[in-house]
Amino acid sequence: QVQLQQSGAELMKPGASVKISCKATGYTFSSYWIEWVKQRPGHGLEWIGEILPGSGSTNYNEKFKGKATFTADTSSNTAYMQLSSLTSEDSAVYYCAREPWFAYWGQGTLVTVSA
Amino acid sequence: DIVITQDELSNPVTSGESVSISCRSSKSLLYKDGKTYLNWFLQRPGQSPQLLIYLMSTRASGVSDRFSGSGSGTDFTLEISRVKAEDVGVYYCQQLVEYPRTFGGGTKLEIK
Repeated sequence: QVQLQQSGAELMKPGASVKISCKATGYTFSSYWIEWVKQRPGHGLEWIGEILPGSGSTNYNEKFKGKATFTADTSSNTAYMQLSSLTSEDSAVYYCAREPWFAYWGQGTLVTVSA
Repeated sequence: DIVITQDELSNPVTSGESVSISCRSSKSLLYKDGKTYLNWFLQRPGQSPQLLIYLMSTRASGVSDRFSGSGSGTDFTLEISRVKAEDVGVYYCQQLVEYPRTFGGGTKLEIK
């Protein structure tokens, strides 16, 4: 069965970078877009962007260009999202999900940015 | 960007009743292929979102037939019949007709 297993919670200092992982099992990793979604209390769900692991093709929400960078390692079936120059506004739960239709979701990774 | 608007439910719902949750889009989600690119999700407390409905009216695998989706190009409804305690959570709609993908603000369902 399809599963997406995300890395654990992170506590980061302002200005630092963090890399979140999303390990996929149960399907052909290279063939399906991996989506990234941000959730902050009171701010609902925000789509950050997506990556197609087989080709490395990406689509970013303009709002997150320069903030988020997607990569994927097909040898380990793992997708990554790096968030740079962290501020308190980046404190959130980050989800990976799989197309089509965002049918499968990881459990979420809590990123807390605090001095 | 396409703006997705969801209303709040006015009151908690009684178990066994039916409830409708609405969603409006600032632009038609009907694509040139004749399909309407709208998803519905349920996020239960402390859990990840779960896909309920895609392409406006197609139930996702394993989803109860108590959930049904309908609508036009810009106005959409999720109907939940015979509401159960397990249906509690926040319901989100999402458009996938163009980038960036956008979500509604969510509608919270509470049971009396």
